[in-house]
Amino acid sequence: EIVMTQSPATLSVSPGERATLSCRASQSVRSNLAWYQQKPGQAPRLLIYDASTRATGIPARFSGSGSGTEFTLTISSLQSEDFAVYYCQQYNDWPRTFGQGTKVEIK
Amino acid sequence: EVQLVESGGGLVQPGGSLRLSCKASGFTFSSYWMSWVRQVPGKGLEWVANIKQGGSEKYYVDSVKGRFTISRDNAKNSLYLQMDSLRAEDTAVYYCARDIVVVTAFHDYWGQGTLVTVSS
Repeated sequence: EIVMTQSPATLSVSPGERATLSCRASQSVRSNLAWYQQKPGQAPRLLIYDASTRATGIPARFSGSGSGTEFTLTISSLQSEDFAVYYCQQYNDWPRTFGQGTKVEIK
Repeated sequence: EVQLVESGGGLVQPGGSLRLSCKASGFTFSSYWMSWVRQVPGKGLEWVANIKQGGSEKYYVDSVKGRFTISRDNAKNSLYLQMDSLRAEDTAVYYCARDIVVVTAFHDYWGQGTLVTVSS
């Protein structure tokens, strides 16, 4: 199975600053990668699919990039509601697999 | 508005059984693959099983094969997960999620989850 590794585990950022989250796949997943946001006590929310396409209703400050084995989620200017855990997920191979998450916390 | 509402979670002893349900609304349920995804509290996400639109194809993660059964009733807009021979390591929040199939799938809508605790 494809192993997804996210870094860093925790990212401390001040409101208004840029956040850059990384996700690495153990083998190529082409562009078949999604990003989710999860807040405490809530279900995950789809942010990005196909590595760089924003889901419906997702603000433009969220952007995704990468292909193959290296991917990045960028939040251009962190808002208070963006502090959460972010997961990547590959859907290029069975079984679909998730990264372990990056927690974005207030600095 | 798409809504997925899970129910059926609870406390069960090791070796016991539980049936989870997910009621869908706001979309044509019969047109989508559907999945169950679980999350150990405080940990990451793990896809568990999915089922094709008409129910003819079902897939499971290796750790639950032979113990869990996914099913659906399109007339009732409902998804189910029958969990037998439960183990402590099955303790998790179980989410119902809609699949968008590409090669495998990602999930564009999720329910709020239902907690399953396996403990004596």
